[in-house]
Amino acid sequence: DIQMTQSPSSLSASVGDRVTITCRASQSIVSYLNWYQQKPGKAPKLLISAASSLQSGVPSRFSGSGSGTDFTLTISSLQPEDFATYHCQQSYSTPLTFGGGTKVEIK
Amino acid sequence: QVQLVQSGAEVKKPGASVKVSCKASGYTFTSYYMHWVRQAPGQGLEWMGIINPSAGDTSYAQKFQGRVTMTRDTSARTVYMDLSSLRAEDTATYYCATDLHEFSSSSPGNWGQGTLVTVSS
Repeated sequence: DIQMTQSPSSLSASVGDRVTITCRASQSIVSYLNWYQQKPGKAPKLLISAASSLQSGVPSRFSGSGSGTDFTLTISSLQPEDFATYHCQQSYSTPLTFGGGTKVEIK
Repeated sequence: QVQLVQSGAEVKKPGASVKVSCKASGYTFTSYYMHWVRQAPGQGLEWMGIINPSAGDTSYAQKFQGRVTMTRDTSARTVYMDLSSLRAEDTATYYCATDLHEFSSSSPGNWGQGTLVTVSS
């Protein structure tokens, strides 16, 4: 199975900050990497697929980059509604696997 | 628009089975594979497996092989996830999710609201 490691596991940031979350795969997954946002008590929401493809309706302050084993989710200017947990997921092979999540909290 | 409505919360005793349903609307039911993903309290997401609603074929994560069964009823536009021999560690919220792309099995795209299953004696 492909292991996905996210860092950091949590971070504190202020509104307007630039936030970067990283995800590393245990082997090359090319660009088969998705990012999800999850708010407490809610289902995950797909933000970015194929490492950098923004889903319809997702604000442009979110962006994804990377290929091979190292990937990044960037929020260019953190908004109050962005405080949530973010998960990466490899879509290269089954079993699909997720990172442990990064909780973005208010500083 | 795609809508997935899951069955309600369940409380089960260790050793019992649970069957969670996921009713789909707003898209061509047989064109999008359905994933099942679970999340234990305060933990990350764990992929359990996938079903092709058209042919009914399935693929399960090895961890759940022998304990999980995914089925579908095309006339009811509903998929089901049955988990047997429940133990306390199975306490989690269970989600169904359609794949992002037609006839693909890689990316959970649209998610149901989740079903909390609690296993307790």
